[in-house]
Amino acid sequence: DGGITQSPKYLFRKEGQNVTLSCEQNLNHDAMYWYRQDPGQGLRLIYYSQIVNDFQKGDIAEGYSVSREKKESFPLTVTSAQKNPTAFYLCASSIGSTGGSPLHFGNGTRLTVT
Amino acid sequence: GQNIDQPTEMTATEGAIVQINCTYQTSGFNGLFWYQQHAGEAPTFLSYNVLDGLEEKGRFSSFLSRSKGYSYLLLKELQMKDSASYLCAERGKLIFGQGTELSVKP
Repeated sequence: DGGITQSPKYLFRKEGQNVTLSCEQNLNHDAMYWYRQDPGQGLRLIYYSQIVNDFQKGDIAEGYSVSREKKESFPLTVTSAQKNPTAFYLCASSIGSTGGSPLHFGNGTRLTVT
Repeated sequence: GQNIDQPTEMTATEGAIVQINCTYQTSGFNGLFWYQQHAGEAPTFLSYNVLDGLEEKGRFSSFLSRSKGYSYLLLKELQMKDSASYLCAERGKLIFGQGTELSVKP
């Protein structure tokens, strides 16, 4: 079955440590996205990538970094510079980056930093 | 600030009809999505509107008016399992609304 896999489901880190969240898709989608969701709030875009080796900042990119070395993979690193990293992180992909191709979401990673 | 506005929460009765509204900024508009999200889970795609009018999919329908920057999601014959957050999202800017938390009561 095709889909998007995020791992791990739950992640705990100490303040000051960088942490990388994994996102893999086997849907052959060109575009991939990272969103952050805080309690009672909508999704906020962190980074997105339309093709391999290219990515753009979203609305809240500060304190995060990404890479897109392979079409299937779009890992997100939460750096120590991110002031409030505790959140629910969602990765998504779509066939293209415009038009009616919907975003398909992974099951998310809940990151807790103490 | 947010370019998309939705009511924060709504309550409806099982078997009834509920309409969830969404307004957005019209500049750069490239289509509007509706998603359903149960607590702690990933959003799942419900509908996509890019032209004016009503799109019907079973119990769920979505309407769009591009000139007014307005959309709504209509849920008919409500079931308890429809209790969830409903998110509208503008395709071009990849922006999501804060979500409308719908509670369906017996």
